[in-house]
Amino acid sequence: KQEVTQIPAALSVPEGENLVLNCSFTDSAIYNLQWFRQDPGKGLTSLLLIQSSQREQTSGRLNASLDKSSGRSTLYIAASQPGDSATYLCAAANDYKLSFGAGTTVTVRA
Amino acid sequence: EAGVAQSPRYKIIEKRQSVAFWCNPISGHATLYWYQQILGQGPKLLIQFQNNGVVDDSQLPKDRFSAERLKGVDSTLKIQPAKLEDSAVYLCASSFLAPGQGYEKLFFGSGTQLSVL
Repeated sequence: KQEVTQIPAALSVPEGENLVLNCSFTDSAIYNLQWFRQDPGKGLTSLLLIQSSQREQTSGRLNASLDKSSGRSTLYIAASQPGDSATYLCAAANDYKLSFGAGTTVTVRA
Repeated sequence: EAGVAQSPRYKIIEKRQSVAFWCNPISGHATLYWYQQILGQGPKLLIQFQNNGVVDDSQLPKDRFSAERLKGVDSTLKIQPAKLEDSAVYLCASSFLAPGQGYEKLFFGSGTQLSVL
């Protein structure tokens, strides 16, 4: 059974600082890994999807890397802004289904 | 393109009552998911449909939860009778294909916040 862990559970940074969010998974036989953003009281919004054959994906200020052999993915957010405050979740796809981590709640202080 | 629609947005019931949630996925999406998200935790898959067939319902408490997806389009999730521990956000998601089959980016609805008193 796939286990996905995100540490730390919460993070607070001043505006402008780069964010580094970590995700680890136990079963390296994944199809892909997705990063999501969740705002309070809202559903999840997909940010980036990395296929198992890829090492990284980029979208604007966001960059996600994937190291299957070590069971890790990292989400980088450059030059953080108060609008980046949210919970970020990763999800690993195995056996035609996704397993989610509990998320990292980010607060960017103005 | 229209997103995943869910209703109701909020629901408050007493324990032992029944409740139903509705989801309409993005048009053309074959795979539909129901997740339960308890405060402070990641979403837990309850049931996954591929068209109108069930792919995975291993974590669905079948003595009280049921779900259907008629005609492979919209879906309902029912709880009867509800327990206090069912208080959570119920999220519906859809994707064009299932993970591993190709384009599997998930799109989520806004969820239904259920409070069982």
